[in-house]
Amino acid sequence: EIVLTQSPGTLSLSPGERATLSCRASQSVSSSYLAWYQQKPGQAPRLLIFGASSRATGIPDRFSGSGSGTDFTLTISRLEPEDFAVYYCQQYGSSPPGFTFGPGTKVDIK
Amino acid sequence: EVQLVESGGGLVQPGGSLRLSCAASGFTFSAYSMNWVRQAPGKGLEWVSYISSSTIYYADSVKGRFTISRDNAENSLFLQMDSLRAEDTAVYYCARRMSGSYKSFDIWGQGTMVTVSS
Repeated sequence: EIVLTQSPGTLSLSPGERATLSCRASQSVSSSYLAWYQQKPGQAPRLLIFGASSRATGIPDRFSGSGSGTDFTLTISRLEPEDFAVYYCQQYGSSPPGFTFGPGTKVDIK
Repeated sequence: EVQLVESGGGLVQPGGSLRLSCAASGFTFSAYSMNWVRQAPGKGLEWVSYISSSTIYYADSVKGRFTISRDNAENSLFLQMDSLRAEDTAVYYCARRMSGSYKSFDIWGQGTMVTVSS
């Protein structure tokens, strides 16, 4: 089973700064099967990035995803006040078949 | 509007059962694979189960206790939860798997809370 590790656990930044979030997999993951989600308190998660680098519908271009194999990155180029939230990476694996989420990175206001 | 609405959560005693429902609207429900994802209080996301037209998967933590099903005629997804444990306490979300080869969840419901406690 593939395990996802996210770092850092918490990222304290100011609006306007750049955020770089890491997601590392215990085994190689197909880029097509790597996604990023944003979750705000009391809300359901929202898909940001699918296929490691494609933005979901309505997602601003300050969000970008990159990476391949076991190392993936979510970058927020300039943090807006509404971007302070928890971010999860997620992958699909075929052996055993199923989905796993990383533990999350909280981006909070410095 | 594309929408998923969960219902059926509540308080149940350990060892009890509960059936969650998810009503879909605004899209062709039968054309999409669906999932249940849960989130324990203050914790991260945990995938629970997946159903397509021909395939069902479960997380090891619920295998043998939970049963996923769907009724395409009623545009509904279900999760039958038996032998519930305290550690099943969570908000349960239904989520649509996006079309195509990508295995991401593009539409989520607002969630329904399940509390397992005596």
